[in-house]
Amino acid sequence: GDSVTQMEGPVTLSEEAFLTINCTYTATGYPSLFWYVQYPGEGLQLLLKATKADDKGSNKGFEATYRKETTSFHLEKGSVQVSDSAVYFCALSRNTGNQFYFGTGTSLTVIP
Amino acid sequence: KAGVTQTPRYLIKTRGQQVTLSCSPISGHRSVSWYQQTPGQGLQFLFEYFSETQRNKGNFPGRFSGRQFSNSRSEMNVSTLELGDSALYLCASSPQPLGQANTGELFFGEGSRLTVL
Repeated sequence: GDSVTQMEGPVTLSEEAFLTINCTYTATGYPSLFWYVQYPGEGLQLLLKATKADDKGSNKGFEATYRKETTSFHLEKGSVQVSDSAVYFCALSRNTGNQFYFGTGTSLTVIP
Repeated sequence: KAGVTQTPRYLIKTRGQQVTLSCSPISGHRSVSWYQQTPGQGLQFLFEYFSETQRNKGNFPGRFSGRQFSNSRSEMNVSTLELGDSALYLCASSPQPLGQANTGELFFGEGSRLTVL
């Protein structure tokens, strides 16, 4: 079945450090891929998405590229800020399916 | 435009009791899906409703049920509560059913945190 695997946390970085959170997926066909972010005490919100192979999603300095050959959608940011501290979820959805599949989440803490 | 509203935000129950959680989607959104969030399991899909019909159900026991009303508001019910049901329950709305080609984003509420003692 469909599934998403993302790197386990927690991750702690110093401000302005480079961030990578790995995400790989298993799905039939051509899923859409997403990164959602959950700030403390809030629900999830969409950070970025990519709907086909080689697409790059980007938002707020975060980027992720849909790599079909490696079934990956790694999240990157060149210089993290304290305000980026949150839990990040990788997710997929297939056009012919009828649910979203989420990874287990990666907690990021950025220290000044 | 008001966001997704979930009530209650926090509740404490004891084993064996039942609980009903409510979710009001964004105006115009007809799909409501529910998720259980726990530290070890991440988000697990419970079920989705669209136009008052359950379209899909995750791998949860029959104690977990839901419904959707004509105004798209949704409720989920958990009967005979167990300690392991303690979790954050999130609902999300979207204009289209899950899996449709133009379903790009889920809009989440802040969740209902259930503690079972």
